[in-house]
Amino acid sequence: DTAVSQTPKYLVTQMGNDKSIKCEQNLGHDTMYWYKQDSKKFLKIMFSYNNKELIINETVPNRFSPKSPDKAHLNLHINSLELGDSAVYFCASSTGTGSQPQHFGDGTRLSIL
Amino acid sequence: GQQLNQSPQSMFIQEGEDVSMNCTSSSIFNTWLWYKQEPGEGPVLLIALYKAGELTSNGRLTAQFGITRKDSFLNISASIPSDVGIYFCAGHASGGSYIPTFGRGTSLIVHP
Repeated sequence: DTAVSQTPKYLVTQMGNDKSIKCEQNLGHDTMYWYKQDSKKFLKIMFSYNNKELIINETVPNRFSPKSPDKAHLNLHINSLELGDSAVYFCASSTGTGSQPQHFGDGTRLSIL
Repeated sequence: GQQLNQSPQSMFIQEGEDVSMNCTSSSIFNTWLWYKQEPGEGPVLLIALYKAGELTSNGRLTAQFGITRKDSFLNISASIPSDVGIYFCAGHASGGSYIPTFGRGTSLIVHP
């Protein structure tokens, strides 16, 4: 009965590779997000989709490309991975696009060798 | 973008002590949210505040939406070891921003 689930939980790969992280929510929410949490635990929003449409696209390298096949899924593809991409990536979802609380997944820890 | 100043950055306390942390912003917020993150997990919502002056409790936790709409605090009474974690404030600035702003977190360690 996991609300927001991300896969994989851990991802270890080499610089230059391409990788994807998947996210699914079963809460019936229509807005989903990707966050990056750095080693100092700062949470930085990357993208947000509402009903499969991109509504937030913060300053993120274009090596990062989100894809939302339906409103229950938001995947993140990363091309040409760099050392600085090492972080924990969190998917979240919420009702609507206003001031609603977010439900977070347990994160994907990405380590670049 | 919006800035949230969360303090203290970390706290080391004895079990049974009360804890207080706060967030201030440079602009008016419509919503204040408090989350807790435990190791290896994502943040989990503790309390949501939607009106200036609102005071809301969740068990031993109490949070308030400041009257100026530029600050919020979270209190934890009679702390226990399982209160350990990182506490984040977050909010939405007035003007209909879709983008939630997060504080940098308060790391809480409780010694038995």
